[in-house]
Amino acid sequence: NAGVTQTPKFRILKIGQSMTLQCTQDMNHNYMYWYRQDPGMGLKLIYYSVGAGITDKGEVPNGYNVSRSTTEDFPLRLELAAPSQTSVYFCATSGTRLNNQPQHFGDGTRLSIL
Amino acid sequence: AQSVTQLDSQVPVFEEAPVELRCNYSSSVSVYLFWYVQYPNQGLQLLLKYLSGSTLVESINGFEAEFNKSQTSFHFRKPSVHISDTAEYFCAVWGSGTYKYIFGTGTRLKVLA
Repeated sequence: NAGVTQTPKFRILKIGQSMTLQCTQDMNHNYMYWYRQDPGMGLKLIYYSVGAGITDKGEVPNGYNVSRSTTEDFPLRLELAAPSQTSVYFCATSGTRLNNQPQHFGDGTRLSIL
Repeated sequence: AQSVTQLDSQVPVFEEAPVELRCNYSSSVSVYLFWYVQYPNQGLQLLLKYLSGSTLVESINGFEAEFNKSQTSFHFRKPSVHISDTAEYFCAVWGSGTYKYIFGTGTRLKVLA
Protein backbone atom coordinates (compact mmCIF):
# COMPACT_ATOMS: atom_id res chain seq x y z
CA ASN A 1 0.00 0.00 0.00
CA ALA A 2 1.62 3.25 -1.15
CA GLY A 3 -0.55 5.59 0.97
CA VAL A 4 0.65 9.16 0.45
CA THR A 5 3.54 9.65 -1.97
CA GLN A 6 5.47 12.90 -2.20
CA THR A 7 8.01 13.77 -4.87
CA PRO A 8 10.72 14.90 -4.96
CA LYS A 9 12.22 14.02 -1.57
CA PHE A 10 14.86 16.74 -1.78
CA ARG A 11 15.30 19.81 -3.92
CA ILE A 12 17.49 22.89 -4.05
CA LEU A 13 16.16 25.93 -5.86
CA LYS A 14 17.59 29.30 -6.69
CA ILE A 15 15.74 32.43 -5.64
CA GLY A 16 13.07 33.27 -8.18
CA GLN A 17 12.75 29.77 -9.65
CA SER A 18 9.48 27.93 -9.64
CA MET A 19 8.62 24.32 -8.94
CA THR A 20 5.77 21.97 -8.17
CA LEU A 21 5.74 19.59 -5.24
CA GLN A 22 3.75 16.51 -6.08
CA CYS A 23 1.43 14.61 -3.76
CA THR A 24 -0.49 11.49 -4.73
CA GLN A 25 -2.67 9.26 -2.59
CA ASP A 26 -4.26 5.89 -3.27
CA MET A 27 -6.67 5.77 -0.32
CA ASN A 28 -9.54 7.56 -2.03
CA HIS A 29 -9.52 10.20 0.70
CA ASN A 30 -11.43 13.38 0.05
CA TYR A 31 -9.45 15.67 2.34
CA MET A 32 -5.90 16.61 1.43
CA TYR A 33 -3.55 19.09 3.10
CA TRP A 34 -0.21 20.77 2.60
CA TYR A 35 1.88 21.75 5.61
CA ARG A 36 5.27 23.24 6.08
CA GLN A 37 7.41 22.34 9.05
CA ASP A 38 10.07 24.68 10.37
CA PRO A 39 12.26 23.91 13.41
CA GLY A 40 10.48 24.64 16.67
CA MET A 41 7.35 25.84 14.86
CA GLY A 42 5.32 22.69 14.46
CA LEU A 43 3.28 22.29 11.29
CA LYS A 44 1.64 25.22 9.58
CA LEU A 45 -1.21 24.62 7.17
CA ILE A 46 -0.61 26.13 3.73
CA TYR A 47 -3.64 24.96 1.73
CA TYR A 48 -6.21 22.25 1.99
CA SER A 49 -8.84 20.61 -0.17
CA VAL A 50 -12.08 18.87 0.78
CA GLY A 51 -12.53 17.26 -2.61
CA ALA A 52 -11.73 17.49 -6.31
CA GLY A 53 -12.18 21.04 -7.54
CA ILE A 54 -12.34 22.56 -4.04
CA THR A 55 -9.38 24.21 -2.33
CA ASP A 56 -8.99 26.76 0.42
CA LYS A 57 -6.25 28.71 2.17
CA GLY A 58 -4.71 27.68 5.43
CA GLU A 59 -2.61 29.74 7.83
CA VAL A 60 0.33 30.53 5.54
CA PRO A 61 -0.78 30.49 1.88
CA ASN A 62 1.24 33.43 0.55
CA GLY A 63 3.71 32.44 -2.15
CA TYR A 64 1.98 29.14 -2.90
CA ASN A 65 -0.77 27.84 -5.14
CA VAL A 66 -2.61 24.54 -5.34
CA SER A 67 -5.02 22.71 -7.59
CA ARG A 68 -7.14 19.59 -7.13
CA SER A 69 -8.33 18.25 -10.44
CA THR A 70 -8.55 14.64 -9.24
CA THR A 71 -9.15 12.89 -5.92
CA GLU A 72 -5.66 11.38 -6.04
CA ASP A 73 -3.45 14.40 -6.73
CA PHE A 74 -2.88 17.65 -4.87
CA PRO A 75 0.18 19.49 -6.22
CA LEU A 76 1.67 22.52 -4.49
CA ARG A 77 3.29 25.17 -6.64
CA LEU A 78 5.89 27.77 -5.72
CA GLU A 79 5.95 30.46 -8.38
CA LEU A 80 8.85 32.68 -7.25
CA ALA A 81 10.94 30.84 -4.71
CA ALA A 82 12.18 32.89 -1.76
CA PRO A 83 14.61 31.95 1.03
CA SER A 84 11.72 32.11 3.53
CA GLN A 85 10.22 29.11 1.78
CA THR A 86 13.10 26.88 2.80
CA SER A 87 11.33 24.21 4.81
CA VAL A 88 10.13 20.65 4.92
CA TYR A 89 6.79 20.22 3.21
CA PHE A 90 4.32 17.52 4.14
CA CYS A 91 1.24 16.37 2.31
CA ALA A 92 -1.48 14.64 4.33
CA THR A 93 -4.87 13.11 3.70
CA SER A 94 -7.90 12.05 5.69
CA GLY A 95 -11.26 10.51 4.92
CA THR A 96 -14.54 12.33 5.43
CA ARG A 97 -16.03 10.01 8.02
CA LEU A 98 -15.15 10.75 11.64
CA ASN A 99 -13.54 7.35 12.13
CA ASN A 100 -11.10 8.23 9.39
CA GLN A 101 -10.20 11.65 10.68
CA PRO A 102 -6.58 10.87 11.67
CA GLN A 103 -4.32 12.15 9.00
CA HIS A 104 -1.97 10.07 6.88
CA PHE A 105 1.28 11.82 6.06
CA GLY A 106 3.78 11.48 3.27
CA ASP A 107 7.49 11.38 4.07
CA GLY A 108 8.03 15.01 3.15
CA THR A 109 9.89 17.12 0.62
CA ARG A 110 12.96 18.94 1.90
CA LEU A 111 13.30 22.17 0.00
CA SER A 112 16.17 24.64 0.18
CA ILE A 113 16.07 28.03 -1.54
CA LEU A 114 19.51 29.55 -2.08
CA ALA B 1 -10.61 29.26 16.61
CA GLN B 2 -8.47 26.57 18.14
CA SER B 3 -4.95 26.63 19.50
CA VAL B 4 -2.59 24.06 20.97
CA THR B 5 0.25 24.58 23.39
CA GLN B 6 2.93 22.02 24.08
CA LEU B 7 4.64 23.28 27.16
CA ASP B 8 7.95 21.46 26.76
CA SER B 9 10.08 21.77 23.66
CA GLN B 10 12.55 19.08 24.79
CA VAL B 11 12.27 16.32 27.36
CA PRO B 12 15.30 14.16 28.21
CA VAL B 13 14.54 11.02 30.20
CA PHE B 14 16.46 7.88 31.11
CA GLU B 15 15.51 4.54 29.65
CA GLU B 16 12.79 2.67 31.60
CA ALA B 17 11.75 5.86 33.39
CA PRO B 18 8.21 7.24 33.04
CA VAL B 19 7.50 10.30 30.92
CA GLU B 20 4.69 12.81 30.56
CA LEU B 21 4.42 15.22 27.63
CA ARG B 22 2.03 18.06 28.22
CA CYS B 23 -0.55 19.47 25.84
CA ASN B 24 -3.12 22.17 26.47
CA TYR B 25 -5.65 23.47 24.00
CA SER B 26 -8.21 26.19 23.65
CA SER B 27 -11.32 26.07 21.52
CA SER B 28 -14.76 27.62 21.26
CA VAL B 29 -16.22 24.38 19.89
CA SER B 30 -15.97 20.77 20.89
CA VAL B 31 -12.74 19.15 19.82
CA TYR B 32 -11.11 15.91 18.89
CA LEU B 33 -7.56 15.42 20.10
CA PHE B 34 -4.61 13.52 18.73
CA TRP B 35 -1.00 12.67 19.44
CA TYR B 36 1.37 12.02 16.56
CA VAL B 37 4.98 10.87 16.52
CA GLN B 38 7.62 11.86 14.00
CA TYR B 39 10.83 9.91 13.56
CA PRO B 40 13.77 11.51 11.74
CA ASN B 41 13.20 12.11 8.04
CA GLN B 42 9.68 10.77 8.16
CA GLY B 43 6.17 12.12 8.20
CA LEU B 44 3.92 12.08 11.24
CA GLN B 45 2.24 8.89 12.42
CA LEU B 46 -0.86 8.70 14.59
CA LEU B 47 -0.30 7.39 18.11
CA LEU B 48 -3.48 8.19 20.01
CA LYS B 49 -6.81 9.82 19.43
CA TYR B 50 -9.63 11.04 21.61
CA LEU B 51 -12.97 11.35 19.82
CA SER B 52 -15.46 10.67 22.62
CA GLY B 53 -16.15 8.26 25.47
CA SER B 54 -13.51 7.26 27.98
CA THR B 55 -11.16 10.10 28.76
CA LEU B 56 -8.18 7.74 28.95
CA VAL B 57 -7.00 6.45 25.60
CA GLU B 58 -4.34 3.82 25.25
CA SER B 59 -2.24 2.35 22.47
CA ILE B 60 -1.00 -1.18 22.05
CA ASN B 61 2.63 -0.17 22.66
CA GLY B 62 2.14 1.32 26.11
CA PHE B 63 1.38 4.95 25.34
CA GLU B 64 -1.62 6.63 26.89
CA ALA B 65 -3.18 10.06 27.01
CA GLU B 66 -5.90 11.53 29.18
CA PHE B 67 -8.43 14.10 28.11
CA ASN B 68 -9.32 16.58 30.83
CA LYS B 69 -12.06 18.91 29.69
CA SER B 70 -12.00 21.16 32.74
CA GLN B 71 -8.26 21.74 32.38
CA THR B 72 -8.40 21.70 28.56
CA SER B 73 -5.53 19.26 28.49
CA PHE B 74 -4.56 16.07 26.69
CA HIS B 75 -1.32 14.98 28.34
CA PHE B 76 0.61 12.02 26.97
CA ARG B 77 2.25 9.43 29.20
CA LYS B 78 4.32 6.31 29.02
CA PRO B 79 5.18 4.36 32.21
CA SER B 80 8.53 3.10 30.88
CA VAL B 81 10.32 4.48 27.86
CA HIS B 82 12.74 2.78 25.49
CA ILE B 83 15.56 4.16 23.42
CA SER B 84 13.38 3.61 20.35
CA ASP B 85 10.83 6.12 21.70
CA THR B 86 13.27 8.94 20.92
CA ALA B 87 11.34 11.10 18.47
CA GLU B 88 9.33 14.28 18.22
CA TYR B 89 5.76 14.19 19.48
CA PHE B 90 3.00 16.48 18.31
CA CYS B 91 -0.34 17.19 19.88
CA ALA B 92 -3.12 18.21 17.49
CA VAL B 93 -6.70 19.39 17.77
CA TRP B 94 -9.53 19.20 15.28
CA GLY B 95 -12.41 21.55 15.98
CA SER B 96 -15.92 20.28 15.42
CA GLY B 97 -17.31 21.75 12.22
CA THR B 98 -13.90 22.68 10.83
CA TYR B 99 -11.79 20.97 8.19
CA LYS B 100 -8.45 21.69 9.75
CA TYR B 101 -6.03 20.34 12.28
CA ILE B 102 -4.07 22.69 14.48
CA PHE B 103 -0.74 21.26 15.59
CA GLY B 104 1.36 22.14 18.59
CA THR B 105 5.00 23.07 18.16
CA GLY B 106 6.17 19.60 19.17
CA THR B 107 8.10 18.06 22.04
CA ARG B 108 11.39 16.38 21.31
CA LEU B 109 11.71 13.31 23.54
CA LYS B 110 15.24 12.03 24.00
CA VAL B 111 15.64 8.75 25.81
CA LEU B 112 19.05 8.29 27.41
CA ALA B 113 20.76 4.96 28.09
